[in-house]
Amino acid sequence: DAKTTQPNSMESNEEEPVHLPCNHSTISGTDYIHWYRQLPSQGPEYVIHGLTSNVNNRMASLAIAEDRKSSTLILHRATLRDAAVYYCILRDRGWGNAGNMLTFGGGTRLMVKP
Amino acid sequence: EAQVTQNPRYLITVTGKKLTVTCSQNMNHEYMSWYRQDPGLGLRQIYYSMNVEVTDKGDVPEGYKVSRKEKRNFPLILESPSPNQTSLYFCASSLRGGVFGNQPQHFGDGTRLSIL
Repeated sequence: DAKTTQPNSMESNEEEPVHLPCNHSTISGTDYIHWYRQLPSQGPEYVIHGLTSNVNNRMASLAIAEDRKSSTLILHRATLRDAAVYYCILRDRGWGNAGNMLTFGGGTRLMVKP
Repeated sequence: EAQVTQNPRYLITVTGKKLTVTCSQNMNHEYMSWYRQDPGLGLRQIYYSMNVEVTDKGDVPEGYKVSRKEKRNFPLILESPSPNQTSLYFCASSLRGGVFGNQPQHFGDGTRLSIL
């Protein structure tokens, strides 16, 4: 399976934008790029996903490099509630469990300072 | 409110005493799955279910059983728990399995099991 590489931790100030990078140099043509986050004492929460084009939703934006070997999750204005571990995950488009199972790596622990 | 509900949230028990962790979703999702989360190992899939009466092993199924008799429920059964099953467990669901598999997964808040 294609793997992702993320920094272990990042820090941000409240109300400022945050750019969380993810490298996935062995991504295949059928892999979607998904982002989840896990707040303390909670289950993982879906944030956003994309294939080739940049994506926006109410929570965040996802910028995908043209060669798809890296991506960046953008939180436009970090709040204290955004302090969490952020996971970048590749998901196969294929049939069955391969397209559903999530393989979580270490993720990036985001700390937000008031 | 759309949600995945797990019970209990916390349980301390002893080796060999059978236990069941329940998972229920109210979103009419076809796909359901169980994960365990351990420090340094991330989340690992235990079992999954593509639909009612269709279950299969994930990456770490040893010591666990599941059943899917109804679409909304997917209980995790530990027939004879052992200390190495002490972990944080999460149930997840998504709308479809199969080729529609790239849909967001919804997770419960977790069940912390301690087996002494």
